[in-house]
Amino acid sequence: AQSVSQHNHHVILSEAASLELGCNYSYGGTVNLFWYVQYPGQHLQLLLKYFSGDPLVKGIKGFEAEFIKSKFSFNLRKPSVQWSDTAEYFCASPTGANNLFFGTGTRLTVIP
Amino acid sequence: KAGVTQTPRYLIKTRGQQVTLSCSPISGHRSVSWYQQTPGQGLQFLFEYFSETQRNKGNFPGRFSGRQFSNSRSEMNVSTLELGDSALYLCASSLSGLYGYTFGSGTRLTVV
Repeated sequence: AQSVSQHNHHVILSEAASLELGCNYSYGGTVNLFWYVQYPGQHLQLLLKYFSGDPLVKGIKGFEAEFIKSKFSFNLRKPSVQWSDTAEYFCASPTGANNLFFGTGTRLTVIP
Repeated sequence: KAGVTQTPRYLIKTRGQQVTLSCSPISGHRSVSWYQQTPGQGLQFLFEYFSETQRNKGNFPGRFSGRQFSNSRSEMNVSTLELGDSALYLCASSLSGLYGYTFGSGTRLTVV
């Protein structure tokens, strides 16, 4: 993929609600996709990555993402969010020029 | 193993001054890339170094420059600082971009 886009800018959920954050990619040959999370005041951490194979990717902290080729999507999901999931989430894709193209990010606020 | 280390964590500079930021990658990682993160523009790629050579550069003015040393440590320099250069500057290292990038905690630069 050459670029990604995220359309949810700010999502507010109550604890225990289910989460789905959207990410769409533009076609660019081999598709590799990442989800990163940035907790307040902390560095970007890799949540999960997709290279090939099983389109359902399991990540850390109970997150998963599903690669759907027909929809050019790689949405991030979590069945039950916690207050500690409050953070900014970034979808990203390698550009083929040894760097990552990041989406604009989705800020998630979880209300206790 | 130690993560990506960026120094300093915070900097306050005056317009017109120059600044140098440092990044020590994970041991064994030869690729180091730099990103600028701002609320308005999100995460934008600055440049990437591999084995002391700049392989790719983002769309930033020539005031932004960098270098990489033989031990893979990297520095970025911003000359003639402008107010708009205020941002979080992130460094990432990787063994191979396809397997993900590990980010440092960043240097928060404030230009006054």
